[in-house]
Amino acid sequence: AQSVTQLGSHVSVSEGALVLLRCNYSSSVPPYLFWYVQYPNQGLQLLLKYTSAATLVKGINGFEAEFKKSETSFHLTKPSAHMSDAAEYFCAVSEQLMEYGNKLVFGAGTILRVKS
Amino acid sequence: DVKVTQSSRYLVKRTGEKVFLECVQDMDHENMFWYRQDPGLGLRLIYFSYDVKMKEKGDIPEGYSVSREKKERFSLILESASTNQTSMYLCASGQVQETQYFGPGTRLLVL
Repeated sequence: AQSVTQLGSHVSVSEGALVLLRCNYSSSVPPYLFWYVQYPNQGLQLLLKYTSAATLVKGINGFEAEFKKSETSFHLTKPSAHMSDAAEYFCAVSEQLMEYGNKLVFGAGTILRVKS
Repeated sequence: DVKVTQSSRYLVKRTGEKVFLECVQDMDHENMFWYRQDPGLGLRLIYFSYDVKMKEKGDIPEGYSVSREKKERFSLILESASTNQTSMYLCASGQVQETQYFGPGTRLLVL
């Protein structure tokens, strides 16, 4: 079974600083990987996904993530944090369910706080 | 835009009550999912459905059942609610190996 580890349950950065949220996965084969964001009292919104094309994936709101197979990592970055980036971020890996579909295995989440 | 809607944003129920949570998607997706979200645990899969009337257990199915009578609609049922089922419940839909789209969630409190 797949597993996802997000290092740091809480990350705090200053407005304008680099955002780095870490994610490691356990899959031994190239997986589908996702980053989702959840704003307070809302559902999850897709930020970006990796599906074995380019290793550097660009997403919405200026976020990007780099797939590194040798490190089994898929860290999320943004060059300059904005106050509106404050939210909870989830990394997920896709796991095949029989032949019918796939489920997402989520990390525990990282709450990003942006200080003014 | 894909739209996944859930019947309630907030629910308060009493222990032992039967609880129905409903989810509707408008994108003709084959797969639908129910997840439970708890602080520090991320999201965990309760059940999923890959076709009408078809369902499979996820990681934490105990105490829950599901129903999918129409392709666009997927219901989660708590047969006899307990306090340890107080949680946020999220529905999602998607095609095989594609992005899953999430509803806004239902925050359930069982007293």
